Amino acid sequence: ETAVFQTPNYHVTQVGNEVSFNCKQTLGHDTMYWYKQDSKKLLKIMFSYNNKQLIVNETVPRRFSPQSSDKAHLNLRIKSVEPEDSAVYLCASSLTAISNERLFFGHGTKLSVL
Amino acid sequence: AQKVTQTQTSISVVEKTTVTMDCVYETRDSSYFLFWYKQTASGEIVFLIRQDSYKKENATVGHYSLNFQKPKSSIGLIITATQIEDSAVYFCAMRDASSGSWQLIFGSGTQLTVMP
Repeated sequence: ETAVFQTPNYHVTQVGNEVSFNCKQTLGHDTMYWYKQDSKKLLKIMFSYNNKQLIVNETVPRRFSPQSSDKAHLNLRIKSVEPEDSAVYLCASSLTAISNERLFFGHGTKLSVL
Repeated sequence: AQKVTQTQTSISVVEKTTVTMDCVYETRDSSYFLFWYKQTASGEIVFLIRQDSYKKENATVGHYSLNFQKPKSSIGLIITATQIEDSAVYFCAMRDASSGSWQLIFGSGTQLTVMP
């Protein structure tokens, strides 16, 4: 049963545009994440957000920025998209940031940049 | 630095047989946690099973079990009595404290196809 909700499912846009993806979890979890999955299925952590503390992956370009209004929501904004941003963006949550906690994933948002 | 390696890109088996998927990892931490996740054709990623590094017993959940060989930094996933619906991409993953934030790092995945 899905408890991490992502919108939209798909988004097609042109180079240079700004896009925003939404993520909401109804599990009462403290920690949320954004992952990027490329065409080869490689999953890379982008951001994690735990109790108002943002942890940034230093390899993420500055045009990506997470936005959180509360611990149940973690949105992702991409300012001025590039062709290499085409991918599936997966939102996830875990009860806490503690090491052994499993992640619950949303169904992903597929971004195509023309 | 953390690293998780899955060398098998794809595996095909006949249903009702047993399959093992390999995974090796690198970490400098003495305490770490290993996970296997499954991604179905719809794109949904679900957690399957976890092994804590300090536990000697191999974890087992349903028809999933792990072959944890700590000296070899290896955590294989064993699926017994495979079913058609086990066809998916299987990801090995690890969390340790070396990044300072217990990030979950994934391997590149193994595509499993179960044939009738």
